[in-house]
Amino acid sequence: IAGITQAPTSQILAAGRRMTLRCTQDMRHNAMYWYRQDLGLGLRLIHYSNTAGTTGKGEVPDGYSVSRANTDDFPLTLASAVPSQTSVYFCASSVNLNTEAFFGQGTRLTVV
Amino acid sequence: GIQVEQSPPDLILQEGANSTLRCNFSDSVNNLQWFHQNPWGQLINLFYIPSGTKQNGRLSATTVATERYSLLYISSSQTTDSGVYFCAVEERGGADGLTFGKGTHLIIQP
Repeated sequence: IAGITQAPTSQILAAGRRMTLRCTQDMRHNAMYWYRQDLGLGLRLIHYSNTAGTTGKGEVPDGYSVSRANTDDFPLTLASAVPSQTSVYFCASSVNLNTEAFFGQGTRLTVV
Repeated sequence: GIQVEQSPPDLILQEGANSTLRCNFSDSVNNLQWFHQNPWGQLINLFYIPSGTKQNGRLSATTVATERYSLLYISSSQTTDSGVYFCAVEERGGADGLTFGKGTHLIIQP
């Protein structure tokens, strides 16, 4: 079934550790996004990519990095996790920017 | 950046009732979408509707871009409609990516 796959589904991580959240889509969408969802704050954009080889910063990029080596994959890396990065992380994709977005199932990350 | 306000924040209805959810935004947009987040956390795209009216079964949506608001209508509510409904916009000439409202938490009671 075509769609977006995120891994892991959930993770408990010690503060200071490095972590990469994986996101893969098989719809050949050009644009991909990472959002975090926090209670009371809704979803906020971390980073995005409008095509392979390019990335951009969203509303809350600090402490996160991304890469877009190919069309299908868009990993999100926390270089040194902190408790404030405890959140649910959603990856999304769309054909291009400004088109209908589709979301993965989310990764629940707890930093202790 | 653009501001997105949703109302009401919470809504409790009986099965079979109708409801209207509102989304106001502070600036011109290229893109407006409505999402449903079910109780398991999954986000489902309901409508891509930067302007005009669309219908999909018991759900319909209208966006009046010139007046900077959108409405989501749910008719004959079912318990499976429960969850959080988000409006998200992409600002014209602004930052790329969607800006989300804080959502309307809908509970449909049997």
